[in-house]
Amino acid sequence: SQKIEQNSEALNIQEGKTATLTCNYTNYSPAYLQWYRQDPGRGPVFLLLIRENEKEKRKERLKVTFDTTLKQSLFHITASQPADSATYLCALVRGSSNTGKLIFGQGTTLQVKP
Amino acid sequence: EPEVTQTPSHQVTQMGQEVILRCVPISNHLYFYWYRQILGQKVEFLVSFYNNEISEKSEIFDDQFSVERPDGSNFTLKIRSTKLEDSAMYFCASSGQGNYGYTFGSGTRLTVV
Repeated sequence: SQKIEQNSEALNIQEGKTATLTCNYTNYSPAYLQWYRQDPGRGPVFLLLIRENEKEKRKERLKVTFDTTLKQSLFHITASQPADSATYLCALVRGSSNTGKLIFGQGTTLQVKP
Repeated sequence: EPEVTQTPSHQVTQMGQEVILRCVPISNHLYFYWYRQILGQKVEFLVSFYNNEISEKSEIFDDQFSVERPDGSNFTLKIRSTKLEDSAMYFCASSGQGNYGYTFGSGTRLTVV
């Protein structure tokens, strides 16, 4: 079955630095990979989506890369702020269109210290 | 910005009772989903719904679960006879087609006692 792994240990960084979060997957070749932010007691909030034929996607301070050979996605937050502190979830989309079942990783908690 | 609305935000029920969790997806979305998250664990897929029928369901979504879109705007999840292990946060989500993510609601925290 598909397996998605994210660093389970919390990532602590200083304000202003770049945070890099990793998502590795096995046993599948997803057409789409999505990143979400989740705050405690809240639903996931969509951040970025990247397709299998795209190497990189950017949105403001966020950047996602997708390496289908390594089966890995990296998520970067540049110039991090304390407000970026949250859990970040990686999710694969089953199927060829961006409307299928999402398979989530367990998430990585980011703590940005002022 | 359009939102997915879920009610109630918190539901406490006795084991064996039926519960209905309600959701209003984004109006021009065509795909609807229920996910759940047990405290401290991953967000897990339960069921997807398109064109008034279930398109996919997980092993968790057994005969005790059902979904309905009764009136073109609401989307409900019913658990017929709740068990202690059904205690979790339940999230409704909806999506359109294209290069967009899914929009999740804020969730219903279900506590079975």
